[in-house]
Amino acid sequence: GEDVEQSLFLSVREGDSSVINCTYTDSSSTYLYWYKQEPGAGLQLLTYIFSNMDMKQDQRLTVLLNKKDKHLSLRIADTQTGDSAIYFCAETDTGGFKTIFGAGTRLFVKA
Amino acid sequence: ETGVTQSPTHLIKTRGQQVTLRCSSQSGHNTVSWYQQALGQGPQFIFQYYREEENGRGNFPPRFSGLQFPNYSSELNVNALELDDSALYLCASSLAARLAVTYNEQFFGPGTRLTVL
Repeated sequence: GEDVEQSLFLSVREGDSSVINCTYTDSSSTYLYWYKQEPGAGLQLLTYIFSNMDMKQDQRLTVLLNKKDKHLSLRIADTQTGDSAIYFCAETDTGGFKTIFGAGTRLFVKA
Repeated sequence: ETGVTQSPTHLIKTRGQQVTLRCSSQSGHNTVSWYQQALGQGPQFIFQYYREEENGRGNFPPRFSGLQFPNYSSELNVNALELDDSALYLCASSLAARLAVTYNEQFFGPGTRLTVL
């Protein structure tokens, strides 16, 4: 079945890079996403990558996709305290009707 | 262009009761999807409505139902509430129904936190 897995916690120092990893099972996923959720808030789309791409860069964010290993990563350069949040990896399922989310990685940024 | 709004923000119900949650989609968006996010978990897809008809459903029982109206508003109804229904309920609107055909961003509302006692 469809599943998205990610590590639950990551702690980094302010100014360092953060790398959040994710694996997914649906090899026919067309789009893969990274969402950010701050306490008490809904989901904010950070970035997405189309399945025929290997990498996408957007300011401090770099997404790497290894389709062979079904592995997705999000790198945040120069991590700031304001980046502290839960980050969700997600994919669009084969039918294209729903988005499947991982359980989220809680990022702690230490000043 | 206004964003996606949801009401109420918080709600407390008791087991066995019924609840209606509301969502106002972004103007022009024909599709609304509802998700349940239990504490410490990622959102789980409940169902999607496209032009007022259910267009896809996740692994949720029939006591979860929905309505979509022509004015871009929608409802999620849950009957016979159970303790495990306690969660953050998110709605998301998008232009088109099939998310994988072309890039079609979903815009999420802030959610309604439902507590079932």
